[in-house]
Amino acid sequence: DAGVIQSPRHEVTEMGQEVTLRCKPISGHNSLFWYRQTMMRGLELLIYFNNNVPIDDSGMPEDRFSAKMPNASFSTLKIQPSEPRDSAVYFCASSSHRGRYEQYFGPGTRLTVT
Amino acid sequence: AQRVTQPEKLLSVFKGAPVELKCNYSYSGSPELFWYVQYSRQRLQLLLRHISRESIKGFTADLNKGETSFHLKKPFAQEEDSAMYYCALLTDSWGKLQFGAGTQVVVTP
Repeated sequence: DAGVIQSPRHEVTEMGQEVTLRCKPISGHNSLFWYRQTMMRGLELLIYFNNNVPIDDSGMPEDRFSAKMPNASFSTLKIQPSEPRDSAVYFCASSSHRGRYEQYFGPGTRLTVT
Repeated sequence: AQRVTQPEKLLSVFKGAPVELKCNYSYSGSPELFWYVQYSRQRLQLLLRHISRESIKGFTADLNKGETSFHLKKPFAQEEDSAMYYCALLTDSWGKLQFGAGTQVVVTP
């Protein structure tokens, strides 16, 4: 397996633009997590899914953020409109109960909003 | 409340010296704990978990339920151990992990 795949790896956009981050979890994993990492706030859990259903989105900072998981092999995190304070590294991770919940992280998307 | 505390933001040690990263947790059930490592500008990866009771890259961690701690130790630090280390607690049956704030380890020659 190629591991968790995220795209794009880097994104530079202007304030007000829509940004879509993509994630492909490891095949067979049934839980998917979106995190945001910044120097100031560290690692924050934004939302997570189990069997494609959102379980907890209390970490989503504002209504500008939304996430979907239309099937077991794909998830998106969308920011509309983007703001400079959204600049961060966004990680996706997946896990399964068979794997005793070890979370496998993707390489991250480094987002810069100017 | 479920909480993971890593009291040290930065730990600077000399090569060859012992290193210990502290982690304390608060959890009402039977805890399942992990240590993750993140090398510079890379993804987080699992270093070890308490149920495995194994040593990875010379690191060990023992769960102490009495002290609610899961400290990470290595007897002789190497320069390649310089990284950010996160302690994490499994908090639900869907696999949610509560991460600590992280400890940055810098090993100097």
